[in-house]
Amino acid sequence: DTAVSQTPKYLVTQMGNDKSIKCEQNLGHDTMYWYKQDSKKFLKIMFSYNNKELIINETVPNRFSPKSPDKAHLNLHINSLELGDSAVYFCASSQGDRALFFGSGTQLSVL
Amino acid sequence: DQQVKQNSPSLSVQEGRISILNCDYTNSMFDYFLWYKKYPAEGPTFLISISSIKDKNEDGRFTVFLNKSAKHLSLHIVPSQPGDSAVYFCAASTVGAQKLVFGQGTRLTINP
Repeated sequence: DTAVSQTPKYLVTQMGNDKSIKCEQNLGHDTMYWYKQDSKKFLKIMFSYNNKELIINETVPNRFSPKSPDKAHLNLHINSLELGDSAVYFCASSQGDRALFFGSGTQLSVL
Repeated sequence: DQQVKQNSPSLSVQEGRISILNCDYTNSMFDYFLWYKKYPAEGPTFLISISSIKDKNEDGRFTVFLNKSAKHLSLHIVPSQPGDSAVYFCAASTVGAQKLVFGQGTRLTINP
């Protein structure tokens, strides 16, 4: 009964490949997010969606494309992966009170 | 431009003593502050929050203090327990922004 679940947990791939990370929340929240934790451990927002509508896009390269088929799902597709994309990607959701609930993260390693 | 800063990358405290984690911010528009706790290979979990209209919020062993004039907040954990060993992130938001800005985290180690 995990509240925010994302798959896969680990993703190892070659430069230039395309990959997707999936996220689902069963909390009934209206807003979902993708955050990136880089090598310096900063957690930075990439995107947020409210009821399937994109509301925040924080100067993320066009190679990153989020997709929200419904308000319980927010997937992240990454084209032409680069070495610098290696990081931990966290999905999160929230409802009103501004506290985010996070998934367990996807460790992406680009070789 | 890091708007939320946690200047101590690590902190080591004896079990049973008080742990104090600090956080500074630069954006005076922030009106809501949160602390998250993160274990390895897990996502951050919400711990406690405080609105800018308050200067203190308490929840069990955890208390958050906010000093708006100094743009500083702190998290007090007392008494500290071994299970409190984790990375603690401070975060802040502004009304309507629908996003959190995080500090870089402080690794807390509780020694038996």
